[in-house]
Amino acid sequence: IQLTQSPSSLSASVGDRLTITCRASQGIAGALAWYQQKPGKPPKLLIYDVSTLESGVPSRFSGSGSGTDFTLTIRSLQPEDFATYYCQQFNSYPLITFGPGTKVDIK
Amino acid sequence: EVELMESGGGLVQPGGSLRLSCAASGFSLSTYGMSWVRQAPGKGLEWVSGMSAGGYSPSFADSVRGRFTISADISRNTVYLQMNSLRADDTAVYYCAKSLGSRHSSFDYWGQGTLVTVSS
Repeated sequence: IQLTQSPSSLSASVGDRLTITCRASQGIAGALAWYQQKPGKPPKLLIYDVSTLESGVPSRFSGSGSGTDFTLTIRSLQPEDFATYYCQQFNSYPLITFGPGTKVDIK
Repeated sequence: EVELMESGGGLVQPGGSLRLSCAASGFSLSTYGMSWVRQAPGKGLEWVSGMSAGGYSPSFADSVRGRFTISADISRNTVYLQMNSLRADDTAVYYCAKSLGSRHSSFDYWGQGTLVTVSS
């Protein structure tokens, strides 16, 4: 299963509402997660099972979608949210794939 | 507190071998699945290999199948990635990651990573 993300990069301002899309090459049911990664750091789990917020993650992050199309939304972008975001599917267990990433930087 | 500590990375010549270790604490490998995920310089994330709780059901990405093996020492709570026939395109930071559940799925804890450089 291949994952694509759009956009591949974007520039945004603090306070903006952001939506990142992840599309799968075939249906993946609810087996989708989102990660945030900052330079030189390991990824951090934000959302799993499409829409479940990981413990400790701010509520401005949300996930939705079904089938092949999924979105990560950041309601009001904060300075610490500038990072690269990856989607990941595990429906094709035991094989796992990540999307190519979306880099969010400051406008 | 959950912690994952990778070790074993370094510089190796093409065709060589390396064994990475991931020492886990704060949870038991008998209960949770584990995976190795790598990231080439300036590139995205690539899942490499995973196993279910207890070290069962090892699986591999097509890019490493037949060259890499994954194993676990439950008594030491440590996961290993044995990498053979290394190629230049295996150069990456290798992370070990803990699954949310007993099968490798989504990953709630990650180590800091260990750099593997394959070059002559």
